[in-house]
Amino acid sequence: EAGVVQSPRYKIIEKKQPVAFWCNPISGHNTLYWYLQNLGQGPELLIRYENEEAVDDSQLPKDRFSAERLKGVDSTLKIQPAELGDSAVYLCASSLAVGGSEQFFGPGTRLTVL
Amino acid sequence: GENVEQHPSTLSVQEGDSAVIKCTYSDSASNYFPWYKQELGKRPQLIIDIRSNVGEKKDQRIAVTLNKTAKHFSLHITETQPEDSAVYFCAASKSPGGGKLIFGQGTELSVKP
Repeated sequence: EAGVVQSPRYKIIEKKQPVAFWCNPISGHNTLYWYLQNLGQGPELLIRYENEEAVDDSQLPKDRFSAERLKGVDSTLKIQPAELGDSAVYLCASSLAVGGSEQFFGPGTRLTVL
Repeated sequence: GENVEQHPSTLSVQEGDSAVIKCTYSDSASNYFPWYKQELGKRPQLIIDIRSNVGEKKDQRIAVTLNKTAKHFSLHITETQPEDSAVYFCAASKSPGGGKLIFGQGTELSVKP
């Protein structure tokens, strides 16, 4: 069974440029999470989807970050415009359901903003 | 707000010794506590988890203990091996299967052969 897929794996951009990350969860997993992981820190939740509905986006900086999961399968996270402080690893995870199910993580996208 | 404190930040042990990592959580409503292992440049992977109705859980060389009164849980690794070297994260959630996970800051474990 394929795991959570993310692309790109690495991205280097100039500040003020836009950037987008893509995630394809494990087949059949209806819950999808985007986490931010700064160097030397634990992941922090940005947004959680139940199918196509964002049920927890309280930690998403909505002035510059947006996300979508239009058909309840794959998801895109966007930053526009990027700032120096956005340099981090962006992790996607998925699970069968919120209750009683392990979260499986993708390999992450390492973003560097210059 | 919700917070998980993890100690120590780094831990170095000799191969064959035991390693213990401790976490404290702030939200008394938390009832699910997973531990993730993350090797350098790789994805976090679940190694063991415990729910609030259980005080201890063991899986081969790995065990987790939970003290709900003290809001404290620990990871125990016995007979450590060099391949156990990684960063370990504890987390807490108010949902039994995950939901929003609040992660600790991580412990970098180094097992010296």
